[in-house]
Amino acid sequence: KNEVEQSPQNLTAQEGEFITINCSYSVGISALHWLQQHPGGGIVSLFMLSSGKKKHGRLIATINIQEKHSSLHITASHPRDSAVYICAVRSERGSQGNLIFGKGTKLSVKP
Amino acid sequence: DSGVTQTPKHLITATGQRVTLRCSPRSGDLSVYWYQQSLDQGLQFLIQYYNGEERAKGNILERFSAQQFPDLHSELNLSSLELGDSALYFCASSLGGFQPQHFGDGTRLSIL
Repeated sequence: KNEVEQSPQNLTAQEGEFITINCSYSVGISALHWLQQHPGGGIVSLFMLSSGKKKHGRLIATINIQEKHSSLHITASHPRDSAVYICAVRSERGSQGNLIFGKGTKLSVKP
Repeated sequence: DSGVTQTPKHLITATGQRVTLRCSPRSGDLSVYWYQQSLDQGLQFLIQYYNGEERAKGNILERFSAQQFPDLHSELNLSSLELGDSALYFCASSLGGFQPQHFGDGTRLSIL
């Protein structure tokens, strides 16, 4: 079993829909990252969080440390949000910085 | 623009060859991380350097090596290349410690 599991693997939405991507992990962590990978391959770091909730524009990330679960929400989705969203955790036992990645959720937003 | 520069963007070579991937971190960042993304394995951590010294090792093959130079740029050397080494190789940098990582655009390596 992977240490970081994401669901769903693939997601198709209509423009304007509210989207939720889930991430569950099985290790103790010091931080969790949400990354966005564009079709061209580049990776952008969206959030790094260790507790609570963070918001940036239409993106919201939450984490529940007790339940070992995080969600990424996109409000008023747009075709430009189409990308692969990757959850990554930094194990509290691991050395500083190295991440364990989920397999990613491929999001396609249709106009 | 993350501020992390990776060269080259694409590399095509043959089995048995050796290549060097280069990464210039964001100005002021002391930590450099290397990751491999293959179709079957997803993203995997390879190695981390902090201010010139190796800090952590992940799933890095013995055929691979890396270093970080005094000017903080880093190189990942891949030798005796095999078909399975075809992948996207990402470099990321951070201030260090538990700071956010900033990713380069990656080097796409294709082994023929």
